[in-house]
Amino acid sequence: GAVVSQHPSWVICKSGTSVKIECRSLDFQATTMFWYRQFPKQSLMLMATSNEGSKATYEQGVEKDKFLINHASLTLSTLTVTSAHPEDSSFYICSASPFRGGLTGELFFGEGSRLTVL
Amino acid sequence: SQQGEEDPQALSIQEGENATMNCSYKTSINNLQWYRQNSGRGLVHLILIRSNEREKHSGRLRVTLDTSKKSSSLLITASRAADTASYFCATDVQGAQKLVFGQGTRLTINP
Repeated sequence: GAVVSQHPSWVICKSGTSVKIECRSLDFQATTMFWYRQFPKQSLMLMATSNEGSKATYEQGVEKDKFLINHASLTLSTLTVTSAHPEDSSFYICSASPFRGGLTGELFFGEGSRLTVL
Repeated sequence: SQQGEEDPQALSIQEGENATMNCSYKTSINNLQWYRQNSGRGLVHLILIRSNEREKHSGRLRVTLDTSKKSSSLLITASRAADTASYFCATDVQGAQKLVFGQGTRLTINP
């Protein structure tokens, strides 16, 4: 099956610093990628949808200046948590779809990145 | 907002027994998918059922979909300890171009 690689798998940073998380599709071209946030024992909360070459679409309540998303190529999307604070500590997961716009099949997920902000 | 509501929130059964999880949703969908998540890991796709399908099988998995009741069920037969994980339903909502995940069921299989 298709493989999505997410890096780093865990990161600890100081409050006020920025952290970049990468999501790569290894064996397919991902025209659409999704970024989620997951709190312990809870479901996935969609943060934003990005299509290659265009601006990300953020969900209501998600600060786009806080969570910068770049999808510059068909195999790489990045999420940058800017000026991180302890409340940004969470598990961030990306997923990728080879289909632009509408979903017609399954999503392929990365292994997630656990961010801890001290 | 989360569309899917799953029950039970947690389920603990003995190895070899069958496990049934239910998912309800609110709006019209293109398809409904089930995913599995091991603790601290990403999600793995299990099965997809389209809105015009009523039942689908894949190995020990059986999924049903009732669009009139806006509900789905996932049955895992002959459970194994390795099936211990969280299971999420996700709906491909018409016009939304994204998957909306349910709250999940934490399944524990006791050896």
